[in-house]
Amino acid sequence: GDSVTQMEGPVTLSEEAFLTINCTYTATGYPSLFWYVQYPGEGLQLLLKATKADDKGSNKGFEATYRKETTSFHLEKGSVQVSDSAVYFCALQQGAQKLVFGQGTRLTINP
Amino acid sequence: NAGVTQTPKFQVLKTGQSMTLQCAQDMNHEYMSWYRQDPGMGLRLIHYSVGAGITDQGEVPNGYNVSRSTTEDFPLRLLSAAPSQTSVYFCASGQGQGNYGYTFGSGTRLTVV
Repeated sequence: GDSVTQMEGPVTLSEEAFLTINCTYTATGYPSLFWYVQYPGEGLQLLLKATKADDKGSNKGFEATYRKETTSFHLEKGSVQVSDSAVYFCALQQGAQKLVFGQGTRLTINP
Repeated sequence: NAGVTQTPKFQVLKTGQSMTLQCAQDMNHEYMSWYRQDPGMGLRLIHYSVGAGITDQGEVPNGYNVSRSTTEDFPLRLLSAAPSQTSVYFCASGQGQGNYGYTFGSGTRLTVV
């Protein structure tokens, strides 16, 4: 079945560092890909998405590019802030609106 | 405010008790779903519905029942709670077609003792 694999956390960075969180997927067909963010004590919020190969999703300084050839959707940000500390989930959607999530990566940014 | 509303936010149950977790959305979304979140396991789909009167099982349906009598509401029932059901539960809704992503509720933290 479809699956999503994220880099293991937790990830700890200093403020203004460059961020990459790796995400790869296994799916039949051509899924849509998403990054969700979960701040402490809250539900998940959609961060960005890409619906076809080579699409780049972006929001709040975060970017991810849908790479069909490597089945990847890595999340990047050029300069992280303390307020970016959260858990990040990569997910895919294929048919019947069922989202499949990765296990999540906890990110902590130190001032 | 528009969105997905879950109640209660916290609940403690004794083994064998029953309860219903409530979920309501006011965005006229066709699709609604329930996930549970456990440490190191991401989110796992329990049940979902593609419209009023239609429900189906997800990845981990055992021990849970759902119904969808209206577009707005999608309650999750635990008939006989077990410690293995201690988790954080999220309800989510989305539009019927297209890739718009989901809107999530703020979650219910359930502890079964």
